[in-house]
Amino acid sequence: NAGVTQTPKFQVLKTGQSMTLQCAQDMNHNSMYWYRQDPGMGLRLIYYSASEGTTDKGEVPNGYNVSRLNKREFSLRLESAAPSQTSVYFCASSLSNEQFFGPGTRLTVL
Amino acid sequence: TQLLEQSPQFLSIQEGENLTVYCNSSSVFSSLQWYRQEPGEGPVLLVTVVTGGEVKKLKRLTFQFGDARKDSSLHITAAQPGDTGLYLCAGARGFQKLVFGTGTRLLVSP
Repeated sequence: NAGVTQTPKFQVLKTGQSMTLQCAQDMNHNSMYWYRQDPGMGLRLIYYSASEGTTDKGEVPNGYNVSRLNKREFSLRLESAAPSQTSVYFCASSLSNEQFFGPGTRLTVL
Repeated sequence: TQLLEQSPQFLSIQEGENLTVYCNSSSVFSSLQWYRQEPGEGPVLLVTVVTGGEVKKLKRLTFQFGDARKDSSLHITAAQPGDTGLYLCAGARGFQKLVFGTGTRLLVSP
């Protein structure tokens, strides 16, 4: 089992460019999440999906969109990247309150 | 809005010393978790505490949930270099949603 996988691991964008971060899990979990991690702020929830076909906003959703393509995959899209979106992005999945995290994507927006 | 504050933010100690990390909130949580995160990786769950006043031990790590379920502490006895990492507390709010603390970065030197 690979657990939670994320691609890419690193990305550099220019302001205004768009990109999609991919996430997949092979643990048959219902819930999936996208977080961003910034120094001194822990992890902040961007969007989550409690089940296939549903998505809900988290604490910091502005500037992002998500798609729960199927039970395995949950993608995060930045339509017009801004320097404030420079961060490390983590995808996670869960069956209960324990969340399993991917290795993260380090995104820099210039 | 950061609901969980951790202290200290940074801790640099020598191998063999003891330490305590605190996680405080004005909100009540149904359960509280502690995660450890190593550089370049996602957080990994260490423990979940559910009952007010509950104490759980994991080898040299002792976790306690406050009586009012608003705060928690992590005590490490005789710290080792392998304990180095970022420690995150996370409170459960609602169905399978977590609020993460600000994090404590621990460095244990040989």
